[in-house]
Amino acid sequence: GQQLNQSPQSMFIQEGEDVSMNCTSSSIFNTWLWYKQDPGEGPVLLIALYKAGELTSNGRLTAQFGITRKDSFLNISASIPSDVGIYFCAGLPGANSKLTFGKGITLSVRP
Amino acid sequence: DAGITQSPRHKVTETGTPVTLRCHQTENHRYMYWYRQDPGHGLRLIHYSYGVKDTDKGEVSDGYSVSRSKTEDFLLTLESATSSQTSVYFCAISDLLETQYFGPGTRLLVL
Repeated sequence: GQQLNQSPQSMFIQEGEDVSMNCTSSSIFNTWLWYKQDPGEGPVLLIALYKAGELTSNGRLTAQFGITRKDSFLNISASIPSDVGIYFCAGLPGANSKLTFGKGITLSVRP
Repeated sequence: DAGITQSPRHKVTETGTPVTLRCHQTENHRYMYWYRQDPGHGLRLIHYSYGVKDTDKGEVSDGYSVSRSKTEDFLLTLESATSSQTSVYFCAISDLLETQYFGPGTRLLVL
């Protein structure tokens, strides 16, 4: 089945730095979603992308739906300590299909 | 935040006992899902529902059953709990097949 690849598993950055994450697949997806999960909580939707090439922002977060429809990118600018958590990408291949999730990237922010 | 609650939030049980987890929503969303989250595996779909009394299996459905007698409630039952079912269980809801919103999770420990 479809797989979404997120790497590396962990990222460590300094407060104030920008960070980029990507999510790739060998299959085409029609919808890309980015979630963040805080420790002990459920994933929270950050950004949803529905069209190839789409660039969407949510505060300091910006995500893009790749032109090939096989990847998506999330950028966090001017990181702060509360950005710590696990960032998941998820994709929907098409109508009447189910979401596929990446395994997530754990982000640590050093003050 | 989407109105999703899960109960119990934590449970410890013994191998061989039946366990039922409850997901309750106040959003009147059509679709409901049960996932388990384990280190190294990310989120894996157990079962989902596309309407009252309409359910289907996900990728890791063995040992689990579900029921949905009302739009707002989706129950996950472990018929005879095993240690391999120790996990964090998340319920999610969606109005369309795209964007899913997650509950806070249930931590289950099977001894």
